[in-house]
Amino acid sequence: SQQGEEDPQALSIQEGENATMNCSYKTSINNLQWYRQNSGRGLVHLILIRSNEREKHSGRLRVTLDTSKKSSSLLITASRAADTASYFCATPSNFGNEKLTFGTGTRLTIIP
Amino acid sequence: DTGVSQNPRHKITKRGQNVTFRCDPISEHNRLYWYRQTLGQGPEFLTYFQNEAQLEKSRLLSDRFSAERPKGSFSTLEIQRTEQGDSAMYLCASSSPRTSGVYNEQFFGPGTRLTVL
Repeated sequence: SQQGEEDPQALSIQEGENATMNCSYKTSINNLQWYRQNSGRGLVHLILIRSNEREKHSGRLRVTLDTSKKSSSLLITASRAADTASYFCATPSNFGNEKLTFGTGTRLTIIP
Repeated sequence: DTGVSQNPRHKITKRGQNVTFRCDPISEHNRLYWYRQTLGQGPEFLTYFQNEAQLEKSRLLSDRFSAERPKGSFSTLEIQRTEQGDSAMYLCASSSPRTSGVYNEQFFGPGTRLTVL
């Protein structure tokens, strides 16, 4: 079963614009992770935010976490064509940080 | 080390045949995970190993599925009597504990795409 739901399911923007994706989850977590997947390929870890953090930055990525609303957002600034991919949020299914439960993903298309 | 590798990258088989996939994790990682991903969905957990011990299996892993990790290095996932519903991308990932024993991000391989005709 999917833990999270990403919103929107698909997003198309012009190169250079910012892209924002949202994720909602159901159970208590101690961290939330974002992954990127290029078409037909494996997943690449982007960023991890812990439950005691509210915001985290990594290069052009900014992630926020609101544990009271059980939601997270991923912002990609100054988008590039190479950012075209599917983006998934994932949470450990228990506090042992073991198996990950993924959301349904947001398909991001950057228009050159 | 170039990361997690999986073989084969693609497998086409006829319904009823057996298939086996291999995953080679990052060498110092003691945890290894298998996930299945169908088109348009996120990956779904199948099973994971810590060293050679299989610690958890999803109910998605029917009796036709078996996974092994002898010697705690590479892992194999076998599907017996394949069905068309088994068509999916099978992803392998590995991780290692940080200080304090907490596991964080998982490193994924490129996946094996299975098509059952």
